[in-house]
Amino acid sequence: QTVVTQEPSFSVSPGGTVTLTCGLSSGSVSTNYYPSWYQQTPGQAPRTLIYTTNTRSSGVPDRFSGSILGNKAALTITGAQADDESDYYCVLYIGSGIWVFGGGTKLTVL
Amino acid sequence: EVQLVESGGGLVKPGESLRLSCAASGFTFSTYAMNWVRQAPGKGLEWVSSISSSSSNIYYADSVRGRFTISRDNAKNSLYLQMNTLRADDTAMYYCVREMVRGGIWGQGTMVTVSS
Repeated sequence: QTVVTQEPSFSVSPGGTVTLTCGLSSGSVSTNYYPSWYQQTPGQAPRTLIYTTNTRSSGVPDRFSGSILGNKAALTITGAQADDESDYYCVLYIGSGIWVFGGGTKLTVL
Repeated sequence: EVQLVESGGGLVKPGESLRLSCAASGFTFSTYAMNWVRQAPGKGLEWVSSISSSSSNIYYADSVRGRFTISRDNAKNSLYLQMNTLRADDTAMYYCVREMVRGGIWGQGTMVTVSS
């Protein structure tokens, strides 16, 4: 059973930088897992921020960036704004057509 | 404008069936793989099923395999999810999502509630 791990919660000050991570219960995340990141505010559908590790989706500000940091995928928000307060989910492709989402990170901006 | 619109959700009893639909517009539907992703109330996202552009490859999460069937009709720009033998833990918002490795586009979702 593959488990994708994310920090349950994180806090950042307005204007600050925060890095959220996406790991595996066993093993390292690489570009071969095609990590993607989604933002979801309450009552809304998720919105794609980053796909295939570091490709920004159309209309996403460049203060959102994706990368591999060590053995995890990472989403970095530079210059956090109040409306960045959301839930953030990552998803990894683990092979054989199967995708697994992380449990999500609740980001607070204060 | 690229758009995905889900429909077909509702309230059903345990053991009953439901068929969800997703109408696509604004892009060449037949060239994209498609997915269903669900979210139980207050919970995280769960990938449910994927289908390739030509329907030649189909995949399911263990939690739904054998009960759910994904299909598509490229002539009608539509994606479907036939859900049989529904259980209480299938209660969720169901989202139609365009191919995730090519910048997934999400629909607004359709709610499925399984309760006696």
